[in-house]
Amino acid sequence: QVQLQESGPGLVKPSETLSLNCTVSGASVSSFYWGWIRQSPWKGLEWIGYIYNSGSPKYNPSLKSRVIMSLDTSKNELSLKLSAVNTADTAVYYCARGYSRYVSDYWGQGARVTVSS
Amino acid sequence: DIQMTQSPSSLSASVGDRVTITCRASQTIGGYLNWYQQKPGKAPKLLIYAASSLQSGVSSRFSGSVSGTTVTLTISSLELEDFATYFCQQTYSTPYTFGQGTTLEIK
Repeated sequence: QVQLQESGPGLVKPSETLSLNCTVSGASVSSFYWGWIRQSPWKGLEWIGYIYNSGSPKYNPSLKSRVIMSLDTSKNELSLKLSAVNTADTAVYYCARGYSRYVSDYWGQGARVTVSS
Repeated sequence: DIQMTQSPSSLSASVGDRVTITCRASQTIGGYLNWYQQKPGKAPKLLIYAASSLQSGVSSRFSGSVSGTTVTLTISSLELEDFATYFCQQTYSTPYTFGQGTTLEIK
């Protein structure tokens, strides 16, 4: 059974860096595509990007200058860093597995992140 | 970016009804379209991928089709567990984009 669990601070100050981890069980992060998606009441579901072990990450151009995704194969985790956050980055952040780069079949339960001073 | 216009935004229906939800893409998406179901406080659940392929374990009440730039999700006979919000997502080109969602409510 594939399971994903996001973790990280629920509150981040404006201009700081949002950091989230996603722990994966039941699948290896060395295989498959791994992505991040966020959801907010004002923008709905927004694709942040995906990463695949042997390739370069693919990011949403609207966030590209601020996003870094990485994989830690020793911990079987993926991580997301979003720098210079502002209130518009307040959202629920989901990690997801893609059995191809086109389809995300397993999602984590989501991590709610609020950007506020 | 490809814009996905989903309609209706909300829909009231009864158990046993047949319902249809539509997404129109702003340009060709070649059938690279997924449908997700989301219940309050939960992550989206994959229902349909590649416009018409049923994800493993998903009820055959759900079906998808595509005609040009319009994709359709049909639920053949609503059950109580189907009342939720549904989203389409194009994965034809990055950035992948989602429709704004359709909330299916009990009449």
